[in-house]
Amino acid sequence: DAGVIQSPRHEVTEMGQEVTLRCKPISGHNSLFWYRQTMMRGLELLIYFNNNVPIDDSGMPEDRFSAKMPNASFSTLKIQPSEPRDSAVYFCASRWGDSTPEQFFGPGTRLTVL
Amino acid sequence: GNSVTQMEGPVTLSEEAFLTINCTYTATGYPSLFWYVQYPGEGLQLLLKATKADDKGSNKGFEATYRKETTSFHLEKGSVQVSDSAVYFCALSFGANFGNEKLTFGTGTRLTIIP
Repeated sequence: DAGVIQSPRHEVTEMGQEVTLRCKPISGHNSLFWYRQTMMRGLELLIYFNNNVPIDDSGMPEDRFSAKMPNASFSTLKIQPSEPRDSAVYFCASRWGDSTPEQFFGPGTRLTVL
Repeated sequence: GNSVTQMEGPVTLSEEAFLTINCTYTATGYPSLFWYVQYPGEGLQLLLKATKADDKGSNKGFEATYRKETTSFHLEKGSVQVSDSAVYFCALSFGANFGNEKLTFGTGTRLTIIP
């Protein structure tokens, strides 16, 4: 069974450009999470979805960030316009059911904004 | 709010040494507790978990016991190997509670094992 799939694995862009990160959760999982990892702030939750509905987006830094989950097998995190301080590793994770607490993580997208 | 305090790193040990990485938490209620491991250039992998007080999670020779009285979940391994070199994260969640499923992480502890 494939794990969580993220693309691209690496992204280098220039300040002001739009960036779109993609995630495919594990089939059958009904919760999806976007995390950001930086040296300064560690791992922080940006937003999560349950059954494709955004539940908590309080971690989204500002209006430049947006996330969608149009169906159960796909989600995007978009940054527009990007800034150098957005440089980080972005992880997607998914979870199944109402009783199993663990989340399964993708390999991450390393974003560098020049 | 919920928080996780984790032993500062980095930690450097010789192969076959005993490992302890301390983790304590603050939460309202009784969360599930986790240890995740991140190998260089990879995502996080679940190492072990415990969902209620006195539960012991174990995997790959690692163990951690959920201690409600001390709000702790210390990670231990009796004999470490070079392949255990990674960053270890302690985390909590109320995963089954709708609206409160997010993982709250500690800062991570970088472990290096030297031959």
